Amino acid sequence: QQQVKQSPQSLIVQKGGIPIINCAYENTAFDYFPWYQQFPGKGPALLIAIRPDVSEKKEGRFTISFNKSAKQFSLHIMDSQPGDSATYFCAASDPRYSTLTFGKGTMLLVSP
Amino acid sequence: DADVTQTPRNRITKTGKRIMLECSQTKGHDRMYWYRQDPGLGLRLIYYSFDVKDINKGEISDGYSVSRQAQAKFSLSLESAIPNQTALYFCATSDLVAGGSYNEQFFGPGTRLTVL
Repeated sequence: QQQVKQSPQSLIVQKGGIPIINCAYENTAFDYFPWYQQFPGKGPALLIAIRPDVSEKKEGRFTISFNKSAKQFSLHIMDSQPGDSATYFCAASDPRYSTLTFGKGTMLLVSP
Repeated sequence: DADVTQTPRNRITKTGKRIMLECSQTKGHDRMYWYRQDPGLGLRLIYYSFDVKDINKGEISDGYSVSRQAQAKFSLSLESAIPNQTALYFCATSDLVAGGSYNEQFFGPGTRLTVL
């Protein structure tokens, strides 16, 4: 399975700011790109996901931007709130194995 | 997620001991997964199972074994625990959506394992 590279490792923004988390991949067979959100003491939970046939997907304050030619995708959080403070993982699915390969995670802190 | 449960939630054990982590789900999913989470390393796949008779090694299977006792139960064993197996362990389940490779996974609450 190919690696998914995620950056930054940690991020601090003020309330109302727009944190951006970036991921890059190499395996062109990946066909599904989810983002998971994890709060302390909890398991990760699906936040939003995108397929490579679209360049952007919005759900509420969360947006995924996808650049197929560059093999990169990113998560933007509009009007960030302290309740968004969590660890965020990007991932990619290879349909040949039906498993997810995760990035190393980004710890986001939104200060009041 | 109450649909995926893990026991125990916390466990402290000693080097060389055998330990089993258990996962049960009521979601009716065929696919189950075991992950390990370490700070700065993200989630790494240990083993996965697509049905009771189909078990596959993941990225980091050395030192671990699994058993799929039923569709709803998937256990992870450490035959002889060592300190670098100290980590947070997650079980997850998923199912296929007809017509695609959509692969949302539902995670349990995790087991924090410490090997002294």
